[in-house]
Parts: sequence; structure tokens; C-alpha cells
Amino acid sequence: EVQLVETGGGLIQPGGSLRLSCAASGIIVSRNYMSWVRQAPGKGLEWVSVIYSGGSTYYADSVKGRFTISRDNFKNTLYLQMNSLRAEDTAVYYCARDIGDLGTDIWGQGTMVTVSS
Amino acid sequence: DIQLTQSPSFLSASVGDRVTITCRASQGISSYLAWYQQRPGKAPKLLIYAASTLQSGVPSRFSGSGSGTEFTLTISSLQPEDFATYSCQLLNTYPYTFGQGTKLEIK
Repeated sequence: EVQLVETGGGLIQPGGSLRLSCAASGIIVSRNYMSWVRQAPGKGLEWVSVIYSGGSTYYADSVKGRFTISRDNFKNTLYLQMNSLRAEDTAVYYCARDIGDLGTDIWGQGTMVTVSS
Repeated sequence: DIQLTQSPSFLSASVGDRVTITCRASQGISSYLAWYQQRPGKAPKLLIYAASTLQSGVPSRFSGSGSGTEFTLTISSLQPEDFATYSCQLLNTYPYTFGQGTKLEIK
């Protein structure tokens, strides 16, 4: 069974850092395009970042320079390092498999990040 | 960046109704569009990609159409499990923007 499980969310003060993890089973992270998508409470979905199988990365302007997407091939795990967190980063963060112009077909259950003092 | 605007934002309908949701792009995106369904507290589910191709396992009452700047998602006969939020997403260039969502509620 294909599964993505996010961990690492929680309550963090503005300006703080947090690292989200996404453990994959049934798919090989390094052979896929893997994304992070977030959803603020009561709001729509927002694409955050993607890492290609070749290692190229792309970011939304709202997180560029603050967030870093990466992966550990041995652990088959995707990461999102989030620095200089702001209140507007409060959201449920989903990791997902991106199949390019075929959409995003596999999603984790999400992990909640709350940025508040 | 390309913007996607969905209409309506809220839609009230009954079981058995036919409903259509529209997604408009601020510039042409050919057929690089996907539709997702999201139930409360759950992750999105891919319904349609390439504007009109049904994802495996998705019921045939769902259909998508359009190209360029205007796209539609149609549910031919609403079932109780279809009451959810629907979002479009562009797939041709980053950022892969989503529409703001359409919440489909039971009348």
C-alpha cells in the first residue's frame, strides 16, 4: 500500500524554525517529484514547493528563502525545513507525489503547524 | 504568476442534481489543469487531470472540460458523498496555483 506520513508539526513562536518529515512507503521518494502543499485554517490549498527526482527544487514566492525542501534517499523520506516562521505560515502541511501535468495523485494526511506567540 | 478563479465559491444543491463549477485562468494554460475533491479534515483527492481525463477509480458522474482559460467540472447526478470542496490547480508552470475552492453543500 502506498502511504505518505507527515510528522513534525506543532506550535512554534514567530521567527522560529521547524522541520517537517514525510515518510513514504510503497513509493520511492527519490524517483518521484515530491511536493509540499499547505492549507491555512478555513482557506484554500496553497502549493509550497517541489523537488524533482533529479534534485531540482522550486518554491512559492511566499516561502522562497525561508523554506528548504530536501530528501533522504536511504530513509525514503521527504523534508521541509521551515525557518523565520510567520503567523501566515500557520496551516496544515501535506506532502504529496506530483506527477507533473497528470496532477498530484498521492497525499499524506497532513501535519498542523501553528505559528503563534 | 497565473491566477485561477473559481465560481461559484459556494453552491447549494440536492442529491440527484447536476452541478457545474467553473475555473478561469488569468492566461492560457492549454489543458494543464487538475480538479480535486476535499472532504472536511481530509487530504485532497485527485479527480481529473489534463482538464478532462478521469483519474483511475473516480466515478464516471464526474467530468471535466475546457482548455485555454476556461474550464468546468461537472457532476452529473450528485450523490451524498459528493458534498465537499472542489479545487482546480494549474499544472503547466510553477507555482502550481490552486483556485480558491468551491464548497458544495446539501440544500
